[in-house]
Amino acid sequence: GPKVLQIPSHQIIDMGQMVTLNCDPVSNHLYFYWYKQILGQQMEFLVNFYNGKVMEKSKLFKDQFSVERPDGSYFTLKIQPTALEDSAVYFCASSLIGGNGAETLYFGSGTRLTVL
Amino acid sequence: SQLAEENPWALSVHEGESVTVNCSYKTSITALQWYRQKSGEGPAQLILIRSNEREKRNGRLRATLDTSSQSSSLSITATRCEDTAVYFCAPQTGFASALTFGSGTKVIVLP
Repeated sequence: GPKVLQIPSHQIIDMGQMVTLNCDPVSNHLYFYWYKQILGQQMEFLVNFYNGKVMEKSKLFKDQFSVERPDGSYFTLKIQPTALEDSAVYFCASSLIGGNGAETLYFGSGTRLTVL
Repeated sequence: SQLAEENPWALSVHEGESVTVNCSYKTSITALQWYRQKSGEGPAQLILIRSNEREKRNGRLRATLDTSSQSSSLSITATRCEDTAVYFCAPQTGFASALTFGSGTKVIVLP
């Protein structure tokens, strides 16, 4: 089936540094999403993005977070500066515009971010 | 409070047996999706059932939807060890709206 690729699979950085998580979505998809999952907890929505703009964001999407798709290929999540509580697995997803408000999201395997 | 909740929290079955996971949700929906997340992987969609459907099948999987009681179930027949995963329901409330997940049901299939 369609694949979403996330690079890198693991990243370790020091608190206060900037980190960029990269996502290569399914090629013809138009909607993009980031979710955050702390180990052992449920997956929580951060943000979705369409046509160069943030459509919705949750309260977890702090001011230090930003998203973009600068060259029409990778969809990125940037955290600047990072905090200890940002340690989690971040999942990217993409979807094609669907009808009747029902869309299938395709998820990547996640990037495990560890902030020291 | 969570938009959707799966129950039970966890269960185990032996290979070949059937298993059912239940979901209750708290909003009007356009569709409800079931996802499975295996250890170390991202979620993968199993079934999408629209609000005007009552039942949907996909191989060994069967989902039901009751919009009057705001509940859904996912049944897996002839389970296999590789069905071991966390199963989530995700109600969808509108076009391109954010999909929210519950805490999931951990299903363990024993040999």
